[in-house]
Amino acid sequence: ETGVTQTPRHLVMGMTNKKSLKCEQHLGHNAMYWYKQSAKKPLELMFVYSLEERVENNSVPSRFSPECPNSSHLFLHLHTLQPEDSALYLCASSHDLSITSNADTQYFGPGTRLTVL
Amino acid sequence: AQSVAQPEDQVNVAEGNPLTVKCTYSVSGNPYLFWYVQYPNRGLQFLLKYITGDNLVKGSYGFEAEFNKSQTSFHLKKPSALVSDSALYFCAVRDWGLTGGGNKLTFGTGTQLKVEL
Repeated sequence: ETGVTQTPRHLVMGMTNKKSLKCEQHLGHNAMYWYKQSAKKPLELMFVYSLEERVENNSVPSRFSPECPNSSHLFLHLHTLQPEDSALYLCASSHDLSITSNADTQYFGPGTRLTVL
Repeated sequence: AQSVAQPEDQVNVAEGNPLTVKCTYSVSGNPYLFWYVQYPNRGLQFLLKYITGDNLVKGSYGFEAEFNKSQTSFHLKKPSALVSDSALYFCAVRDWGLTGGGNKLTFGTGTQLKVEL
């Protein structure tokens, strides 16, 4: 295991539902990330947090709302999603955002498989 | 801008034979290059990375990759494939001259490796 956990592992929701994805890292890292993985497409970086502050928002629709209450936890709040939002949502963490050696390897959780009906 | 290309959607190899998974990149400055592997229903696992120095990088599970600056390539290799190596492999790049927020990795679309008996 990588030290990054995600819950739930699978989620089915209707377009009017509100749900949240949770990520927790046990690595003592300061940076956390949300990615979207769709079939046959490259991983899409959604959000980056460093020391609980958002430093990157990659033109993500407002129906996705991240929250980082502390450096170990990251949430992705979902509301009024569309069927095309169905994908695997991956959380990752890294030591920090510096580019020095060994500091920028990202460690991924197992993902949440989201299906929007 | 930075980009990665993995020209093969799938690579098939017999167990015991050498394997190569191809990756080419494009950056404006010097690259950081990564390989990750994803097993079914799992998140991405870090295999190896190139920062600077020796062009041949050794990683986990007997994998290695060769950085070739003139060909802008970072192909993943293993001398003798195992059935258990069957998985989805992702190449990623970060331009270490990139400024701005976020440890922004750009991933390829992935190559499915299938090792058969």
